[in-house]
Amino acid sequence: GENVEQHPSTLSVQEGDSAVIKCTYSDSASNYFPWYKQELGKRPQLIIDIRSNVGEKKDQRIAVTLNKTAKHFSLHITETQPEDSAVYFCAVLPYGNKLVFGAGTILRVKS
Amino acid sequence: DTAVSQTPKYLVTQMGNDKSIKCEQNLGHDTMYWYKQDSKKFLKIMFSYNNKELIINETVPNRFSPKSPDKAHLNLHINSLELGDSAVYFCASSQDSNTEAFFGQGTRLTVV
Repeated sequence: GENVEQHPSTLSVQEGDSAVIKCTYSDSASNYFPWYKQELGKRPQLIIDIRSNVGEKKDQRIAVTLNKTAKHFSLHITETQPEDSAVYFCAVLPYGNKLVFGAGTILRVKS
Repeated sequence: DTAVSQTPKYLVTQMGNDKSIKCEQNLGHDTMYWYKQDSKKFLKIMFSYNNKELIINETVPNRFSPKSPDKAHLNLHINSLELGDSAVYFCASSQDSNTEAFFGQGTRLTVV
């Protein structure tokens, strides 16, 4: 089955700095790559996603890049703010109609 | 209006009991899921239902059984609860396999 690895497991940045989280996957047939943000005690919510026919997608301060050849994709957050502090999950949709999540990254933005 | 709602939000129960968690979505989605999030925050899929048909059944104990009375509902029934079942359980739904999954608010189950 699909194997998704997410790094780092924790990330601390100073307010205003950038944060990058990376995920690698194993199934080359995977074609949908969402990122979810989960605030403390809340549900995971989609923040951005990318499909396999696109290499990069941006939405204000967040962006996702996809390298299908190397089978990895990354979340980039610029100008981080304290409210960006949360757990971030990458996910991959391989053949079989099932989202497989990475282990999560705890992001702490220090003001 | 809440898109995906699950009840209860908190559930504390003794070992050996049987309990159910209910989930409803008003988005008209075809696929619903149950995920388990353990203390390390890892999200693992348990079940997936598409148009009332079970399409994925991960290697979860058969004490866990999903029940879908209609396309908008996917309930989770757990028999003979064990301490290790303590976790947050999330219901989710999506229109199809290639679109965003919307999560419910979660049910924190504590088995004592």
